[in-house]
Amino acid sequence: DQQVKQNSPSLSVQEGRISILNCDYTNSMFDYFLWYKKYPAEGPTFLISISSIKDKNEDGRFTVFLNKSAKHLSLHIVPSQPGDSAVYFCAASAGQGGSEKLVFGKGTKLTVNP
Amino acid sequence: ETGVTQSPTHLIKTRGQQVTLRCSSQSGHNTVSWYQQALGQGPQFIFQYYREEENGRGNFPPRFSGLQFPNYSSELNVNALELDDSALYLCASSLAGANNYGYTFGSGTRLTVV
Repeated sequence: DQQVKQNSPSLSVQEGRISILNCDYTNSMFDYFLWYKKYPAEGPTFLISISSIKDKNEDGRFTVFLNKSAKHLSLHIVPSQPGDSAVYFCAASAGQGGSEKLVFGKGTKLTVNP
Repeated sequence: ETGVTQSPTHLIKTRGQQVTLRCSSQSGHNTVSWYQQALGQGPQFIFQYYREEENGRGNFPPRFSGLQFPNYSSELNVNALELDDSALYLCASSLAGANNYGYTFGSGTRLTVV
């Protein structure tokens, strides 16, 4: 039973446009959500996070939106750049104490075309 | 500040054999978590070590075991290897009590079981 779902395996956008990556979750105990970016042959690197007490968090070109009632979050990248091409993982945890396990989605492969 | 280093980077083993994977945590981190990423899947939590003791375990059989050493480095041991154990094994270190974005992942060990 997948508790974190990323239903789009891949997404292709043009450079300069907006990229929107979506994620759904089922476990109501999750209260902290993260996005990780992964290049081939590298480990996942933290991108941005959001606590369940917020509905939006912004960091430069990256914004994460959280809709708790729908159990849905999305990552917006504006403007998209070719260097953003990577696999993006949505992850969730119950708590943010630095020792909670992360539950990951299957990832969405983003390709940004020049 | 050094990141998380994992060794070896690649490994090929025969079904039924045993394997040990190693992880050096990031300087200042005291918690190590191990994740298994099968092809086309997101990372799945195996277990976590804190203060040299197991501090949480995912849905993995007992043939997956681990150790954490006084310098916070860690080992993942898998006995009686099965073909389905073929995956990328990721180690992540963190500081207990910090926010989850403190998780730093290594580049992983690619294990192939034949």
